[in-house]
Amino acid sequence: GQNIDQPTEMTATEGAIVQINCTYQTSGFNGLFWYQQHAGEAPTFLSYNVLDGLEEKGRFSSFLSRSKGYSYLLLKELQMKDSASYLCAVRDDSSASKIIFGSGTRLSIRP
Amino acid sequence: SQTIHQWPATLVQPVGSPLSLECTVEGTSNPNLYWYRQAAGRGLQLLFYSVGIGQISSEVPQNLSASRPQDRQFILSSKKLLLSDSGFYLCAWSGGLAGLGSTDTQYFGPGTRLTVL
Repeated sequence: GQNIDQPTEMTATEGAIVQINCTYQTSGFNGLFWYQQHAGEAPTFLSYNVLDGLEEKGRFSSFLSRSKGYSYLLLKELQMKDSASYLCAVRDDSSASKIIFGSGTRLSIRP
Repeated sequence: SQTIHQWPATLVQPVGSPLSLECTVEGTSNPNLYWYRQAAGRGLQLLFYSVGIGQISSEVPQNLSASRPQDRQFILSSKKLLLSDSGFYLCAWSGGLAGLGSTDTQYFGPGTRLTVL
């Protein structure tokens, strides 16, 4: 079966660092994505990992360990506008066209 | 650059009425196209995807259907809406010949918020 797990909710303080974890169990693996979704809006692409290691993009970094079926999204210097849901998604190589989304982590930033 | 359009932005329909949501993509050729539904506070549920004109794969059996009459046009339809069809409908595209970095990344349209009463 296909399963992607991430915490439902998290809270962090403005200016701090937060790590959002994602574990996955899929029949195949060919890449992991992180998306940001503000309330009432469409998801926007943040990062893509297909090899083990850390990908850094400004204040956001994403890490992947394929052997552990594990990824995290690290957000630094948190800003109030970072309050959003963060979706972890996996491309299962049983289909070249589909990716499977987790239910998302709702992140709230407090002043 | 590539853009994706969806309309309408919001829709309120009575139970039993028909539905037609449209999605178009500009700036790329032969994209993969997707329809998702997101219930309030929930994750994304893949409904249909298409790898070419007239090619539709259905993920979840339901009273919805999809069609792709042109390369960059994707339509979601229903003959009779149910209350459970309410939600946020998102169209997305990936791949194509636009030369973007990762051809696997999906890019989403602005969505249609459907309320069935």
